[in-house]
Amino acid sequence: AQTVTQSQPEMSVQEAETVTLSCTYDTSESDYYLFWYKQPPSRQMILVIRQEAYKQQNATENRFSVNFQKAAKSFSLKISDSQLGDAAMYFCAGGGIESQGNLIFGKGTKLSVKP
Amino acid sequence: EAGVVQSPRYKIIEKKQPVAFWCNPISGHNTLYWYLQNLGQGPELLIRYENEEAVDDSQLPKDRFSAERLKGVDSTLKIQPAELGDSAVYLCASSSRDSPYNEQFFGPGTRLTVL
Repeated sequence: AQTVTQSQPEMSVQEAETVTLSCTYDTSESDYYLFWYKQPPSRQMILVIRQEAYKQQNATENRFSVNFQKAAKSFSLKISDSQLGDAAMYFCAGGGIESQGNLIFGKGTKLSVKP
Repeated sequence: EAGVVQSPRYKIIEKKQPVAFWCNPISGHNTLYWYLQNLGQGPELLIRYENEEAVDDSQLPKDRFSAERLKGVDSTLKIQPAELGDSAVYLCASSSRDSPYNEQFFGPGTRLTVL
């Protein structure tokens, strides 16, 4: 079984500041992928960043980076230099190779960006 | 390249009426997913297709929900009869077998309101 937990229903950040969104992923599978998706009010889910569990190096995509602590089952997303367009729901998701790619999503964190 | 297309974007129906949603995945993507997203929650998988075969429909309420992907391209999800609790957003996603991490691309979703 897999579980994804996002413990922060809402977060707020000042424009140009840094914010970290938390996620924990629990699975019995040894090989899996983790993702952060962004869902703006328009509802289109957009992939922000992905992390392969077997890689020790944390993934980075421009202003977005992750801190993956495998033993702690922690997969946090850091957004640097926050912009107004970053305001959205952020969903953490995980999928195991044995599960053939089926993703389990967390409940999401609503991020607000203050000008 | 066109993204995942869904229609309609919005649908309002009376309870006990039938409703159908349509999805056209990204060209060449062999895997297609239907997700249910309740308000304030993350998406939950309803059914996954590999080409025209439904390989995982364990979460599909088969008493009232049905889906098809006859030619392995576009897909239709049907509810008959609809209940008040079916009000939600229905998301379609697709992925390519060539993607090592099974990145899923999402459509804009259909928001269903059952009155």
